[in-house]
Formats: sequence, structure tokens, C-alpha cells
Amino acid sequence: TQLLEQSPQFLSIQEGENLTVYCNSSSVFSSLQWYRQEPGEGPVLLVTVVTGGEVKKLKRLTFQFGDARKDSSLHITAAQPGDTGLYLCAGDRTGNQFYFGTGTSLTVIP
Amino acid sequence: KAGVTQTPRYLIKTRGQQVTLSCSPISGHRSVSWYQQTPGQGLQFLFEYFSETQRNKGNFPGRFSGRQFSNSRSEMNVSTLELGDSALYLCASSLGTSDTEAFFGQGTRLTVV
Repeated sequence: TQLLEQSPQFLSIQEGENLTVYCNSSSVFSSLQWYRQEPGEGPVLLVTVVTGGEVKKLKRLTFQFGDARKDSSLHITAAQPGDTGLYLCAGDRTGNQFYFGTGTSLTVIP
Repeated sequence: KAGVTQTPRYLIKTRGQQVTLSCSPISGHRSVSWYQQTPGQGLQFLFEYFSETQRNKGNFPGRFSGRQFSNSRSEMNVSTLELGDSALYLCASSLGTSDTEAFFGQGTRLTVV
């Protein structure tokens, strides 16, 4: 059973389009992180959100943590081919055991 | 500041053999976590070590074990390898406190033939 469910699982869009990836759980997390992973490489940390309702922006990426700290979203504006990769959310509940989401594989077509 | 270093990057082993993977965390980080990543199962938590002690453990058989040294470097061992153990093995280092951030190495790609 996956503690964190991501949707959609796969996403293929044209360059310039906007998209949103969701990370949902029935459990409360003390913090939530988003990573991007390219094939054959380790995940790279994009952002950490800690406070319920928090919104963080990283250039064209906007991250939001749900008010109840059970869910999060990642919105990308004007997607570029360089955004292609596997996006993973991860939640921290027990002090240092991170629970990873199922992942969203994004392909941005030039 | 050096990142997380995993060695080797690639490994090919035959069924029944054993393998040891190494992870050097970021300087100052005391926690090292290990994950197995496969296309079908995604990222699965193996175990976490903090100050040379296993603090958390995932749902993997006893063939998977690990340890951490006084300099925080960690090793993971898999004995009696099975074909299904083929995966990307990732380690992540962090300070080990609540709400800390985890940083990953590039992983070790293990292929069991």
C-alpha cells in the first residue's frame, strides 16, 4: 500500500503548456519534499514545504502544501523540454523515514 | 561541498552471489537511508542508519543488510542474489533531525543475471 499517491502517473505535453501534478495521502506529514529524477540518476531535491497552506515558487514551478498537510501539488508554467523527468513527492512522518510517492513521469515535447 | 557519493555506479552479478554497495554522505550528515528503485515498484525504503545504529527498517527480507561506520559512511549488503534484486539502489544523506532534507547519490545500478 502506497502512503502517497501521485497523479497523473504519466504526462506528455507540448512545450509551452501548463501542467499540475498532485500528491495525495490520508496521512499527515510534518514536511513534504519534491524531487526530479532523470534516467539513471538519483533524485534531485527541488523544494521542501513545511507549513500547511504554504506556497513556494521556483522560477516556473509552484509548489503548494495542503492546509491539512496531507497533500501537495506541483504546477509548471510554460513547460520546457528540460522539465522532462520523473517527479517524486516524499513525506516525512517519523522523524527521518521518507515515504515516496508513486511518481509522475513527465515528457515535454519540443 | 561534496555531494553524496555512491560506489560502484554499475555492477553485474550472478544469482546466488552477494554484493556490497557503498555510500559516502555529505560531510556533517549523520543519517544515511537506502532505497531500492524498480520500474514496477518505484522507490522502496530499505533502512536508515543514524550514528552507526539502524533507526528505521523497511519491509525487505533479511538478505538485505547494512551498516554505518563512525565517519557516517554506510554500506549495504545483499546476499544470495536473486534476479528480482536487479534495481537502482539509492542512498540519501541528511542531518537526521525532523523536517530535514534528504540528498541523494547517483545510485548503483545492480544487474543480476
